[in-house]
Amino acid sequence: DGGITQSPKYLFRKEGQNVTLSCEQNLNHDAMYWYRQDPGQGLRLIYYSQIVNDFQKGDIAEGYSVSREKKESFPLTVTSAQKNPTAFYLCAIGDSNEQLFGPGTRLTVL
Amino acid sequence: AQKITQTQPGMFVQEKEAVTLDCTYDTSDQSYGLFWYKQPSSGEMIFLIYQGSYDEQNATEGRYSLNFQKARKSANLVISASQLGDSAMYFCAMREASTSYDKVIFGPGTSLSVIP
Repeated sequence: DGGITQSPKYLFRKEGQNVTLSCEQNLNHDAMYWYRQDPGQGLRLIYYSQIVNDFQKGDIAEGYSVSREKKESFPLTVTSAQKNPTAFYLCAIGDSNEQLFGPGTRLTVL
Repeated sequence: AQKITQTQPGMFVQEKEAVTLDCTYDTSDQSYGLFWYKQPSSGEMIFLIYQGSYDEQNATEGRYSLNFQKARKSANLVISASQLGDSAMYFCAMREASTSYDKVIFGPGTSLSVIP
């Protein structure tokens, strides 16, 4: 089936640890995005990538890193430098008329 | 400055009634796109409807329609014949052509509760 997968669904991390969230797509889209959502709020853009081996910072990139070695994959690493990482993380692919989202990963820092 | 405004943090509607969710936006671009997404409690973002700034007719998708008033910069979502499954958060979003990539800006959302 075509779609966007994110894993894991729930992730718990101790303070000071880096964690990597997975995003995979088989819809052959060039553009991929990472968003963060805090409770009761809309989405904020962390990073985006329009093509393999290229990515750009979004509005809240500090404390995060990404890679885009393959068209299908756009993993997000939440580093220890991110001061308040507990949030819901959504990966998306998109074009001009539509952005499709994955099911999300809920990250909790203990 | 806030680019997308959704003034209704929470809305209630009786089952089978119609409901309008408000969205106003701010842009100086002539070319832009407007989106509505539904987010149920599971967290998944579900694309509902899209309206381009040059589209002359209001977009419709099944029970969803977008009341696009360009001069007022509003893009309200109308849900007809509400169902219990419509209870969710609804987000209005905008893509501006002036950005170098397909960046989409989201509003704060409106929580809709459908009452049996």
